[in-house]
Amino acid sequence: KNQVEQSPQSLIILEGKNCTLQCNYTVSPFSNLRWYKQDTGRGPVSLTIMTFSENTKSNGRYTATLDADTKQSSLHITASQLSDSASYICVVSADSNYQLIWGAGTKLIIKP
Amino acid sequence: EAGVTQFPSHSVIEKGQTVTLRCDPISGHDNLYWYRRVMGKEIKFLLHFVKESKQDESGMPNNRFLAERTGGTYSTLKVQPAELEDSGVYFCASSQDLAGRRGYTFGSGTRLTVV
Repeated sequence: KNQVEQSPQSLIILEGKNCTLQCNYTVSPFSNLRWYKQDTGRGPVSLTIMTFSENTKSNGRYTATLDADTKQSSLHITASQLSDSASYICVVSADSNYQLIWGAGTKLIIKP
Repeated sequence: EAGVTQFPSHSVIEKGQTVTLRCDPISGHDNLYWYRRVMGKEIKFLLHFVKESKQDESGMPNNRFLAERTGGTYSTLKVQPAELEDSGVYFCASSQDLAGRRGYTFGSGTRLTVV
């Protein structure tokens, strides 16, 4: 069964600190993996997209990694800001039908 | 460039009533998708249009849900009759290409509450 699991479910850190969010997936055949940021009351916004051959991708203070062998990904946020408070969702696309398989997300709260 | 627009942003209806959600994709995006997030669960795929045709409707939960995209522009998702378990946030997204390799753009969603 195609699944995406994320950890932790929620995370609280102080402004300025770094954090790493985890994603494990069992989607096959794999096409790509995306990280989205979703603010409360808004739609998901893409942070990164990685294909099978890519193992790291950066977008400003966000750096995503992908290990296609172990089917794991991480999203590292550097020097967190209050505006980083949001849900971060890992999404994997299957090559067979391009459907997006969504994780449940990690709710990140940045405290001043 | 205008983004994906969804209307209404919120809807509260009674069980048994009908509700129609609308999505206006980015102009020129042939691919339009509907997703749903039920409270406490992950976002789930409902269906995918390519222009006015249903490419994949494998995620539609039952025949109380009807999606249309006449003319290949905006899309509507009708729930009739609504049940309590239909409550959730309904997202629409659009993309230029079939596999979304150039990215998906999501609307802000319609929060549906069935009471």
